[in-house]
Amino acid sequence: GENVEQHPSTLSVQEGDSAVIKCTYSDSASNYFPWYKQELGKGPQLIIDIRSNVGEKKDQRIAVTLNKTAKHFSLHITETQPEDSAVYFCAASKGGGSNYKLTFGKGTLLTVNP
Amino acid sequence: DVKVTQSSRYLVKRTGEKVFLECVQDMDHENMFWYRQDPGLGLRLIYFSYDVKMKEKGDIPEGYSVSREKKERFSLILESASTNQTSMYLCASLGGVNEQFFGPGTRLTVL
Repeated sequence: GENVEQHPSTLSVQEGDSAVIKCTYSDSASNYFPWYKQELGKGPQLIIDIRSNVGEKKDQRIAVTLNKTAKHFSLHITETQPEDSAVYFCAASKGGGSNYKLTFGKGTLLTVNP
Repeated sequence: DVKVTQSSRYLVKRTGEKVFLECVQDMDHENMFWYRQDPGLGLRLIYFSYDVKMKEKGDIPEGYSVSREKKERFSLILESASTNQTSMYLCASLGGVNEQFFGPGTRLTVL
């Protein structure tokens, strides 16, 4: 089955700096790669996703890049703010039917220091 | 807005008890999922359902069962709770284009 590795497990940055979280996946058939943000006491919430026919996607201060050949994808947060502090999860799936199930990385605790 | 609700935020049970965790979604989604979340292990899929009365095992189904009698409701059952099932349990339902919407979670403690 699919295996998703996520690094680092913890990341501490100063407000205004950039943060990068990296993930690798094992199944070359995976074609959908979402990123979830989980704030304290809440369930994870989708913040951005990318499909395998796209190399990069941006949404304001957040961007995701995908390298299909190397089977890795990354989350980039620019101009970090204290409210970006949360646990971030990457995931992968093949999409469609029972392949809708997601395989998650172990998560990254991001702390943005004011 | 999609809403996924879980019956309890916190639950304390004793070893050997039968435990029901309920999840309800209000968006007529066909696919629903149960995960458990443990520190350092991320989210692991227990079971999922792609239609009423249809279910498939996820990665860690041992010790759990599920029930989906109505489209909006997906229940996770611990037949005989054990201390190693102490965890955060998250329910999700799948929206149109692969996005999973999560509930707030149930923190279960088994004593």
